[in-house]
Amino acid sequence: AQSVTQPDIHITVSEGASLELRCNYSYGATPYLFWYVQSPGQGLQLLLKYFSGDTLVQGIKGFEAEFKRSQSSFNLRKPSVHWSDAAEYFCAVGPRNSGNTPLVFGKGTRLSVIA
Amino acid sequence: EAGVTQSPTHLIKTRGQQATLRCSPISGHTSVYWYQQALGLGLQFLLWYDEGEERNRGNFPPRFSGRQFPNYSSELNVNALELEDSALYLCASSRTGGEANYGYTFGSGTRLTIV
Repeated sequence: AQSVTQPDIHITVSEGASLELRCNYSYGATPYLFWYVQSPGQGLQLLLKYFSGDTLVQGIKGFEAEFKRSQSSFNLRKPSVHWSDAAEYFCAVGPRNSGNTPLVFGKGTRLSVIA
Repeated sequence: EAGVTQSPTHLIKTRGQQATLRCSPISGHTSVYWYQQALGLGLQFLLWYDEGEERNRGNFPPRFSGRQFPNYSSELNVNALELEDSALYLCASSRTGGEANYGYTFGSGTRLTIV
């Protein structure tokens, strides 16, 4: 069965420092890959997605993610974190032809930003 | 363009009661998904409706049910409410068929509290 693992439940970084959030997936074939962000009490907003092609994808708010097939990973990065980036981040995967299979989400990584 | 709208924003019920949550998808989207986000458990897939039919169902008891109307809006009904049903219920929408996994657009959720 497909699954998504986000190994870090909570990460704290200083404002201006770099950030990397980890995501590993288990899937039969290369899936579609997504990162979403959730501010407190809000729904999820799509940051970026990978379908095919260049394995480094750019998203909104200065985020990027790199797909590594050999490691079944899709890690999210940002070179310089802002206080407004404090939120919960979710990695998700889904099959290329959706069929009857919805997106599967990881349990999330909560990001705290300190001055 | 209006986003995915959910109502009510907050709902307080007592054990044993029934709750109805509503969702209107983005115009042009025919698939509606329901996810439960309980504390510490990430997003758990509940139901997927597409073109008025239930397309998939997550591992939840039958007291969780729903439907999709001809205008593609959807209702989630939860009967015989239990304390552990307290959670944020998120609705998302997408295009139909093979494009469903191009990405979901989420609403802001309904916070259901059981007392």
